[in-house]
Amino acid sequence: DGGITQSPKYLFRKEGQNVTLSCEQNLNHDAMYWYRQDPGQGLRLIYYSQIVNDFQKGDIAEGYSVSREKKESFPLTVTSAQKNPTAFYLCASSLGQGSYEQYFGPGTRLTVT
Amino acid sequence: QKEVEQDPGPLSVPEGAIVSLNCTYSNSAFQYFMWYRQYSRKGPELLMYTYSSGNKEDGRFTAQVDKSSKYISLFIRDSQPSDSATYLCAMEGFSGTYKYIFGTGTRLKVLA
Repeated sequence: DGGITQSPKYLFRKEGQNVTLSCEQNLNHDAMYWYRQDPGQGLRLIYYSQIVNDFQKGDIAEGYSVSREKKESFPLTVTSAQKNPTAFYLCASSLGQGSYEQYFGPGTRLTVT
Repeated sequence: QKEVEQDPGPLSVPEGAIVSLNCTYSNSAFQYFMWYRQYSRKGPELLMYTYSSGNKEDGRFTAQVDKSSKYISLFIRDSQPSDSATYLCAMEGFSGTYKYIFGTGTRLKVLA
């Protein structure tokens, strides 16, 4: 079964703690993306990677960090510097930049109190 | 002004109604126009895409793009309760830099 997996589905953290969200794909896609979804704001791009060991900031990268050490994996760390971390986080992948279709994982709901 | 505007709804219709969902945009560089469907607490999935202007039909769904007006639509015929979801438009293009942008999504509820 090809697809994207994100874990965990729900995550709870105390304020001031860093937390890492997992994203794995077995579609052999070169490009991977992290989005944040808040009510009424649609999908906002946090970071994206077009190739292993390379990534670029999206529109709202402050307080987040990523790595791309393997083609299949693109973990996102939400640091304590992120002022409003509670949100629904979605990972996606595509064949590459310029591909019209992005494939999404099921998402992780992060709640920070 | 946002590059892509989409009415968030919610939009409630009776079963069997024709549904019209729309987005407007401002960047003429967009060439691909997509519609994603997102069920509650799930990731979006691609429903349809259109390249440049024109219509595209797939079963009960029709996507229309009018580049002269910078306006795209998704029509759902004979709507079903299972169509209840959030529908996001997305657009892709290159003008100096690559852009792939989503609308805010319209929440649709089809009542049985």
